[in-house]
Amino acid sequence: NAGVTQTPKFRILKIGQSMTLQCTQDMNHNYMYWYRQDPGMGLKLIYYSVGAGITDKGEVPNGYNVSRSTTEDFPLRLELAAPSQTSVYFCASSYEWGSEQYFGPGTRLTVT
Amino acid sequence: DAKTTQPPSMDCAEGRAANLPCNHSTISGNEYVYWYRQIHSQGPQYIIHGLKNNETNEMASLIITEDRKSSTLILPHATLRDTAVYYCIVRVAGSSGSARQLTFGSGTQLTVLP
Repeated sequence: NAGVTQTPKFRILKIGQSMTLQCTQDMNHNYMYWYRQDPGMGLKLIYYSVGAGITDKGEVPNGYNVSRSTTEDFPLRLELAAPSQTSVYFCASSYEWGSEQYFGPGTRLTVT
Repeated sequence: DAKTTQPPSMDCAEGRAANLPCNHSTISGNEYVYWYRQIHSQGPQYIIHGLKNNETNEMASLIITEDRKSSTLILPHATLRDTAVYYCIVRVAGSSGSARQLTFGSGTQLTVLP
């Protein structure tokens, strides 16, 4: 099992550009999550999904969109990138809501 | 939502037990205590969780006080590779949990010294 994989590992965007962060898990987990982590801070939940076709907002969803067309994939879309979105983005999955979450290696995004 | 309070940093000598405290005085009866850790620049890693009884696995032990208002994560024989930020989180298990409870706070930076 590869677990949770994320691409790209690093990206630099100019203000106003858009991009999609990819996340794939091969554990057949229903639950998937996107977090962001600013320097020296903890993780904040952006969006989550409880299964294919079902997504919902977390604590900091503004400026982001998600989709969940398959169990395996949960891409995060940034439209009109802003410097405030400079952060490390982690994708995670879990078997059920309260079970342990498995995290990907992260995507380091810089918006200048 | 229950909130947690952890010391920002701790040191521990290699080979000794590391005891990381967490206060969660507003915890509800159906909320579990979870511990994760994050080694520099990597994704967080699950360690252990519990409701009211003490728990032990191959990585650590979790001691929860009888009133459930605080807990301690114990790494019995800390190694240099245990240097990481340790997060204590309280959240409801099952499908009724609030998404806000998935926020990780600032955690405790544990430094294991040689």
